[in-house]
Amino acid sequence: DGGITQSPKYLFRKEGQNVTLSCEQNLNHDAMYWYRQDPGQGLRLIYYSQIVNDFQKGDIAEGYSVSREKKESFPLTVTSAQKNPTAFYLCASMETALTNEQFFGPGTRLTVL
Amino acid sequence: GQSLEQPSEVTAVEGAIVQINCTYQTSGFYGLSWYQQHDGGAPTFLSYNGLDGLEETGRFSSFLSRSDSYGYLLLQELQMKDSASYFCAVRDRRSNYQLIWGAGTKLIIKP
Repeated sequence: DGGITQSPKYLFRKEGQNVTLSCEQNLNHDAMYWYRQDPGQGLRLIYYSQIVNDFQKGDIAEGYSVSREKKESFPLTVTSAQKNPTAFYLCASMETALTNEQFFGPGTRLTVL
Repeated sequence: GQSLEQPSEVTAVEGAIVQINCTYQTSGFYGLSWYQQHDGGAPTFLSYNGLDGLEETGRFSSFLSRSDSYGYLLLQELQMKDSASYFCAVRDRRSNYQLIWGAGTKLIIKP
């Protein structure tokens, strides 16, 4: 079955710690995205990558970092510089940057204790 | 700047028809998408409008008027499973074709 996997589903971290969220897709999609969703809000773009070895900042990139070393993988690191990291994080992919449908993973709910 | 407006909550009765409106402001409009998200779940794609008019997919239809910067999602024959949040999202040329999301409309369906 083709799809996007994110792990873990729930993640707890202490203040001051960096944490990496995994995102893997086997859809052979070129473009991948990381979003943050806060309760009752829409999605805000953190980072995106339209091709391997290239990525761009979204609207709220501060305190986050990414890499795109392989087509199928786009991990997100939440650093200690992110002031309010508790949120629901969603990874998505698209066949190309100009196709219409984004496919989403199940999300990771990060809680900072 | 860029902005999207949609109602925060809509209530309807099972079996009825409901319309969720979306107005947008963007300088490089490329297309309007609609996504559904159940509580705790991930968004799933419903429809896309790149040109004016109505797109129909089963019980769901979506409409776009570029001259009015306005679109809507129409849900017919409502079922309890349609209780979810619905997001409109605009693709903007000036943002490298990335999606800009509305805050979502929570659809509550009563029996």
